[in-house]
Amino acid sequence: DVKVTQSSRYLVKRTGEKVFLECVQDMDHENMFWYRQDPGLGLRLIYFSYDVKMKEKGDIPEGYSVSREKKERFSLILESASTNQTSMYLCASSGVSDTQYFGPGTRLTVL
Amino acid sequence: AQSVTQLGSHVSVSEGALVLLRCNYSSSVPPYLFWYVQYPNQGLQLLLKYTSAATLVKGINGFEAEFKKSETSFHLTKPSAVMSVAAECFCAVSATGGFKTIFGAGTRLFVKA
Repeated sequence: DVKVTQSSRYLVKRTGEKVFLECVQDMDHENMFWYRQDPGLGLRLIYFSYDVKMKEKGDIPEGYSVSREKKERFSLILESASTNQTSMYLCASSGVSDTQYFGPGTRLTVL
Repeated sequence: AQSVTQLGSHVSVSEGALVLLRCNYSSSVPPYLFWYVQYPNQGLQLLLKYTSAATLVKGINGFEAEFKKSETSFHLTKPSAVMSVAAECFCAVSATGGFKTIFGAGTRLFVKA
């Protein structure tokens, strides 16, 4: 069974903290994605990666960075967390079929 | 450029009634189209997808969708709604062979007794 795991289900951080969200997939997928999900806005793409050490900006990259040192792992970094980054963060991966497989999400609250 | 519009942020149906969730897309190239479902506190999972084969696509749990190029639509249907926890359904579009998928805003489906 395909599996995408995220390091935390719930996270509470303070304004200005550096935040790391980790995502691991076990399907040997080339492509990995980070989205944020907000009510009424659907999913918005932050960054994606189509290969190790490769990254591309999505629609809302400001305030975020990513790292992909290994094929199975894709990290999202909030350099200095702000309250407007309070959201649900979803990681996904895909192979040649275009179908994306999602992790359970991390609900981040920034106080 | 691609976009997706889902008509109705909330849909409520009675148990046993037809479920219809509407999705219209815009794409400058032949699209792949998807419906995903999200249950509370979970990630999204694929319900079905269209990839230029049959225009009527059958998915899991009795859901199906029909690709209508002339109407640029990909509406999701289920003949008979079943009581379950409320779920949110997302329509999505990607360009054939592309990396990026564009998601609609989502429609929350409620099935009442």
